Amino acid sequence: QVQLVESGGGVVQPGRSLRLSCVASGFSFSSYGMHWVRQAPGKGLEWVAVIWYDGSNKYYSDSVKGRFTISRDNSKNTLYLQMTSLRAEDTAVYFCAKEDMVTLDYWGQGTLVTVSS
Amino acid sequence: SYELTQPPSVSVSPGQTARITCSGDALPKKYAYWYQQKSGQAPVLVIYEDNKRPSEIPARFSGSSSGTMATLTISGAQVEDEADYYCYSTDISARGVFGGGTKLTVL
Repeated sequence: QVQLVESGGGVVQPGRSLRLSCVASGFSFSSYGMHWVRQAPGKGLEWVAVIWYDGSNKYYSDSVKGRFTISRDNSKNTLYLQMTSLRAEDTAVYFCAKEDMVTLDYWGQGTLVTVSS
Repeated sequence: SYELTQPPSVSVSPGQTARITCSGDALPKKYAYWYQQKSGQAPVLVIYEDNKRPSEIPARFSGSSSGTMATLTISGAQVEDEADYYCYSTDISARGVFGGGTKLTVL
């Protein structure tokens, strides 16, 4: 069965960096696009970034463009989100999600990132 | 930037029909997707490509789209359907966008 397991969250000071990971299993990881979606405490879902199946294209939301970088290692079935210049408003649960023809059909359980001094 | 607009809340009694709308300028050209999220859990896909239902989702969930509005309908809503519901689509640059979410209350 499809499993997505995020890790790397924690408490970080404003301006610092953090890298999230998402390990995938149960499907052919290298054949599917992958997304990061976040949810601030008590707020709605916010789309963050997408990377194509082969890493050839990446797109970001305006709120993270220039600060966050999405990447993947298909040999390790792992998706990454490198977050730099973190701000308080980046505090959220970060979910990774598998894409199948635009549909985000499977999601991980999320990892909490708290940006605070 | 592209936006999808949902009502903040919808309330129905058990057994009634709940309708949650999602409006967006690109919806005539882009599919709508619907996700259910219960407290503390990851979102679950309930409708994809406007009106298709994953096999594991109960038949009381259906979707439709006309013009700039997509609608999620729950026919005979159950107490266990109480959750936040989000519509999702993409903009012309293939970037994702979620609606603000609708809290469905069934009581």
